[in-house]
Amino acid sequence: DQQVKQNSPSLSVQEGRISILNCDYTNSMFDYFLWYKKYPAEGPTFLISISSIKDKNEDGRFTVFLNKSAKHLSLHIVPSQPGDSAVYFCAASAPSGSRLTFGEGTQLTVNP
Amino acid sequence: NAGVTQTPKFQVLKTGQSMTLQCAQDMNHEYMSWYRQDPGMGLRLIHYSVGAGITDQGEVPNGYNVSRSTTEDFPLRLLSAAPSQTSVYFCASSPLRRGSGELFFGEGSRLTVL
Repeated sequence: DQQVKQNSPSLSVQEGRISILNCDYTNSMFDYFLWYKKYPAEGPTFLISISSIKDKNEDGRFTVFLNKSAKHLSLHIVPSQPGDSAVYFCAASAPSGSRLTFGEGTQLTVNP
Repeated sequence: NAGVTQTPKFQVLKTGQSMTLQCAQDMNHEYMSWYRQDPGMGLRLIHYSVGAGITDQGEVPNGYNVSRSTTEDFPLRLLSAAPSQTSVYFCASSPLRRGSGELFFGEGSRLTVL
């Protein structure tokens, strides 16, 4: 039972344009959501997070949007840069939970 | 500051062999965990620990053992390796007592079981 799903295995965008990565979840108990970025041969690194009491969180070029009624979150990268090319994982957790549940990941390629 | 250190980075085993993946963190984090990454399946939690002497099972614990004798170290033992355990393994730690917030990951250990 995949509680967190990233339906797009890959996404390709041009440098300078917007990248939009999507994530859907099924567990209504999830109250905290995170995005991680992973380069080849490296471990994932934390990028940005959002609590369920918010619908938007912004950090520089990265913005995460949360739509609780649709159980959907998205990561916007504007403007996209070639160095953003990586695998992006979304993750979610429930209150007092001891673990993160990860999606399958989306490979983002930003073309110069 | 080394963060989370995993060894070895690469390992090839034969079916039935045993081995230990090492994980050490120098951030005094209480929470440590092991994930495996497989194509199309994201990261799945194997075992975790909320402090020295305390461990618990994650989503896919079968075939793996862990122990937490110190705050710094959290080794993952494969008791009798199987081809299904071919994967990339990540150790992660968190300053929270629970692993539901930001995690700090090691660089990964790529294991191939023949």
